[in-house]
Amino acid sequence: GAGVSQTPSNKVTEKGKYVELRCDPISGHTALYWYRQSLGQGPEFLIYFQGTGAADDSGLPNDRFFAVRPEGSVSTLKIQRTERGDSAVYLCASRPDSAYNEQFFGPGTRLTVL
Amino acid sequence: GEDVEQSLFLSVREGDSSVINCTYTDSSSTYLYWYKQEPGAGLQLLTYIFSNMDMKQDQRLTVLLNKKDKHLSLRIADTQTGDSAIYFCAESPSSGGYQKVTFGTGTKLQVIP
Repeated sequence: GAGVSQTPSNKVTEKGKYVELRCDPISGHTALYWYRQSLGQGPEFLIYFQGTGAADDSGLPNDRFFAVRPEGSVSTLKIQRTERGDSAVYLCASRPDSAYNEQFFGPGTRLTVL
Repeated sequence: GEDVEQSLFLSVREGDSSVINCTYTDSSSTYLYWYKQEPGAGLQLLTYIFSNMDMKQDQRLTVLLNKKDKHLSLRIADTQTGDSAIYFCAESPSSGGYQKVTFGTGTKLQVIP
C-alpha cells in the first residue's frame, strides 16, 4: 500500500522567502508528526497532530514556523521569512491508533535556503 | 531533558556481527527504538524494547538493554552489504498518550564486502 509521501522532494529558496512543505500520511492514520533533520544529526521533533489539532508544538523553533492539518489528513508545514539556518531535511511521519510505537516516515523534503 | 548519544561510525566485514551502542539519559519508564535510514529513503523502524525488558531478538537483530547504565545495543548477526546505512537509537516516554521521540545523532554502518 501507499506509504507517507512528501512534496516537494527538494526545495531551493532564497533567504526571506515563504515556503510550504506538504505531507500526505497513510490513509486512516490519525497521528502525524513533523521532524527536522540537519546534516549529520538525528531527526528533531517539531510538532505532533492528533486529528486536526496540534497536540504538541513545543518543538517549533520560533514563530516563523507553523503547521496545519485542517481535515485531519494532509498536513502543511509553513516557514515564513526563511533563513539559511532553516536548511535541513523535513520529515513527516504518521501513526495509526492501533500501533502506539510505530511511526511510518516519509522520504522527507530537502530544503535549501540560499 | 532527554539526551541520546551514539558513536558516529562503525565498519565491519561482511558476515561478521555488528554491534551498535547507544546511551540515553531519561530515567523514567521509556520505550527505546532502533531505526535504519538508507540514502534517499525514510526512516524505518527496526525494533523497539520497553525499559522493563533486558533483551529482544528478532531474526538477525538482538537488542540488549542495561537499565542501570542506561545503555542500549543493537547486534546484527551475519552483517550483509544491504545493512549499510545509518542507524538511529531513539527513546520516548511511556506516558503522555503519544510519542515524542528523541533521536540520537546516528551511527553510520559501513559493511566491507
